[in-house]
Amino acid sequence: QTVVTQEPSFSVSPGGTVTLTCGLSSGSVSTSHYPSWYQQTPGQAPRTLIHSTGIRSSGVPDRFSGSILGNKAALTITGAQAEDESDYYCVLYMGSGISVFGGGTKLTVL
Amino acid sequence: EVQLVQSGAEVKKPGESLKISCKGSGYTFNSYWIGWVRQMPGKGLEWMGIIYPGDSDTRYSPSFQGQVTISADKSINTAYLQWSSLKASDTAMYYCARRYSSSLYDGFQHWGQGTPVTVSS
Repeated sequence: QTVVTQEPSFSVSPGGTVTLTCGLSSGSVSTSHYPSWYQQTPGQAPRTLIHSTGIRSSGVPDRFSGSILGNKAALTITGAQAEDESDYYCVLYMGSGISVFGGGTKLTVL
Repeated sequence: EVQLVQSGAEVKKPGESLKISCKGSGYTFNSYWIGWVRQMPGKGLEWMGIIYPGDSDTRYSPSFQGQVTISADKSINTAYLQWSSLKASDTAMYYCARRYSSSLYDGFQHWGQGTPVTVSS
């Protein structure tokens, strides 16, 4: 079974730029995987940031952007803020209506 | 305003059955896929399966196929996740979420508040 991979943790300085990635244990990620990205803070339900690779969800600040970088999906935060410290999850569509979450990245802003 | 309101916390014993719910409002319930997501304590999100209430087309992650049943009652705009025989390992928070569109591939746009399920003897 194909595994969706994410960096377990990442840190960024306030005001800095960070790129989190979402890959596959076998093969490359493309727009046909319709990558989506979710933010979750402890004790809260997930919040949708990005869908279909790079479309921002309503109300999401434009410092969040999604793309394909090389063979992975990517979430870039430009000008990170303290409130961006969260867990970030990607989801990839695998076909036949089935999607898979990545293991998540814990982002620290310090 | 789109809302997904889930049923309340559950405490059950191993072997018991359970059905939790997710009621949608503020949109045409029949026309959007609703999915279920598991989050075990201290762990990440897991995609369980989805249902299209309009025709009850249901897709399951291989990891959850046969372990749970997803259903929907479009007359009351409610989706369900049920277990016939709970295990301690089913202890988790369960989220329902609605997809952006009627497509099979799109991400989740709206989320329920979560239903915590505790299974303990």
